[in-house]
Amino acid sequence: KAGVTQTPRYLIKTRGQQVTLSCSPISGHRSVSWYQQTPGQGLQFLFEYFSETQRNKGNFPGRFSGRQFSNSRSEMNVSTLELGDSALYLCASSLAPGQMNEKLFFGSGTQLSVL
Amino acid sequence: DQQVKQNSPSLSVQEGRISILNCDYTNSMFDYFLWYKKYPAEGPTFLISISSIKDKNEDGRFTVFLNKSAKHLSLHIVPSQPGDSAVYFCAARGSGGGADGLTFGKGTHLIIQP
Repeated sequence: KAGVTQTPRYLIKTRGQQVTLSCSPISGHRSVSWYQQTPGQGLQFLFEYFSETQRNKGNFPGRFSGRQFSNSRSEMNVSTLELGDSALYLCASSLAPGQMNEKLFFGSGTQLSVL
Repeated sequence: DQQVKQNSPSLSVQEGRISILNCDYTNSMFDYFLWYKKYPAEGPTFLISISSIKDKNEDGRFTVFLNKSAKHLSLHIVPSQPGDSAVYFCAARGSGGGADGLTFGKGTHLIIQP
């Protein structure tokens, strides 16, 4: 069974631009969540999608948005990029949310560098 | 306000000895805890978890202990092997299930010395 696939692996953008990252979950997984990893802050929750609906959102500005398609694939978008947005963006999938022992399976991430 | 704290950014342990990674949390609504392991350039991989109704969970060389009154959990790796060198993240989930996402600590870089 293929794992969580994130594209692209690396991305270099300049301040003010926007970026779209893609995530394909494990087959059969319907929940997708996104995390930002930076050296100083660790992994921080961005948002979670299930059945094309955003279930919850972390404490990030509105420049960060996402969506989920009917095939469970998800995209996240960051507009008006800032230098501080440079980070590893991780996507994780699970069968369905709301279960106490829900385990997340992570992709390898997209390393975004903003110059 | 950091709700999950891993106070040791790094830990060096000799091969064959026990590695103990610690994690503290402040939110009493957390009732499920997980440990993830991360190698460079890879996503975190699930290692072991524990429900708040238990105080210990064991899986091979890995054991997680939970002390609810102290809001503290620890991961024991015995014996430590070179392949265990990685960053370990402690994570917690509230009683609402996945609705709030996982809250992660900042990680502890474990280095196993030969």
